Amino acid sequence: AQSVTQPDIHITVSEGASLELRCNYSYGATPYLFWYVQSPGQGLQLLLKYFSGDTLVQGIKGFEAEFKRSQSSFNLRKPSVHWSDAAEYFCAVESYGQNFVFGPGTRLSVLP
Amino acid sequence: GAVVSQHPSRVICKSGTSVKIECRSLDFQATTMFWYRQFPKQSLMLMATSNEGSKATYEQGVEKDKFLINHASLTLSTLTVTSAHPEDSSFYICSANAPPTPKSDYGYTFGSGTRLTVV
Repeated sequence: AQSVTQPDIHITVSEGASLELRCNYSYGATPYLFWYVQSPGQGLQLLLKYFSGDTLVQGIKGFEAEFKRSQSSFNLRKPSVHWSDAAEYFCAVESYGQNFVFGPGTRLSVLP
Repeated sequence: GAVVSQHPSRVICKSGTSVKIECRSLDFQATTMFWYRQFPKQSLMLMATSNEGSKATYEQGVEKDKFLINHASLTLSTLTVTSAHPEDSSFYICSANAPPTPKSDYGYTFGSGTRLTVV
């Protein structure tokens, strides 16, 4: 069965520091890959997605993610974190014709 | 861009009563909508797929008599939690797949969620 793992439950970084959130998936074929952000009590906002082509994907708010087929990973990165980036981040996958499967989420805290 | 509106954003109800949550696609038609449930500090779990004009498809373990889904039009799906109990307290989120636009080739859009508290 398809699955998505986010090894880090909670990450704390200082404002201005770089960030990398990890995501691994288990799937027979390369699925569509997504990163979403959720602020407390809010819905989901799409940060970026990967379907095919260039494995380095640029998203909104200065985020990027790199798809690595050999590692079944789709890690999210940001070179300089802002306090407003504190939120919950979800990696999600979708295979053609199937529904989304979300990872467990990583909570990001930002220190001033 | 595509917008999915969810209402209410927050509701408190007494145990044993029913609560209806609405999910509307504001500027596109959605033949399919999805309902998710999110417990505190947990991820989103798909509950059911709502199909316009036909019965919803429920995920394993989700009681269809407990969570009634109606998708009577191309812009509205409703989730009714019947005879709600405290264990039904959760965050419910809907989503719909908006058609491609010149600016976006993919449009899974999520509502802002409904916080249900059953007392």
